[in-house]
Amino acid sequence: SQTIHQWPATLVQPVGSPLSLECTVEGTSNPNLYWYRQAAGRGLQLLFYSVGIGQISSEVPQNLSASRPQDRQFILSSKKLLLSDSGFYLCAWGGDTEAFFGQGTRLTVV
Amino acid sequence: AQSVAQPEDQVNVAEGNPLTVKCTYSVSGNPYLFWYVQYPNRGLQFLLKYITGDNLVKGSYGFEAEFNKSQTSFHLKKPSALVSDSALYFCAVSPTGYALNFGKGTSLLVTP
Repeated sequence: SQTIHQWPATLVQPVGSPLSLECTVEGTSNPNLYWYRQAAGRGLQLLFYSVGIGQISSEVPQNLSASRPQDRQFILSSKKLLLSDSGFYLCAWGGDTEAFFGQGTRLTVV
Repeated sequence: AQSVAQPEDQVNVAEGNPLTVKCTYSVSGNPYLFWYVQYPNRGLQFLLKYITGDNLVKGSYGFEAEFNKSQTSFHLKKPSALVSDSALYFCAVSPTGYALNFGKGTSLLVTP
């Protein structure tokens, strides 16, 4: 069966520090991968999606970037965090008709 | 633009009563529609989906949803609510098969 791992579960970072969140998927090959952000406990915003290694589509301009160095690995990064980057970040993988989510990372920028 | 709307921020219902969480959609062509549930500080869990076929879709935990093309709605329902159903519910549409567009979510509170 397919599983998705996302870490860390919680993270507190100072403003201006770098960020790296990692997501890996098991049990499937060539998945579509997604990063979502949920601010203030509501509303999911699609940040990035990837249909293959090295292929990243950005949905909104922001202080974040994503990379897909391996087929089942998806990384969300920032060179310098802003206070507004605080939120709940969710990685997901999907086939054609639904998405499966990781447990999320609660990021607090202080 | 492909989108869904959840008109209610919060729905309150007493345990044992039927519940409805509303969702309307705006897509061109035939929509793929979904409901997800989120418990505090957790990822989303899939409840059910409509792709094609029967307009009444049955999902996890006793939930069901009815696809209504004329009203462009996909309301989530359950005949008898449980306190444990209290959570945040998201409607979503997948117009391209690539990525889900989520509604803003509806908080469901079931009181004993």
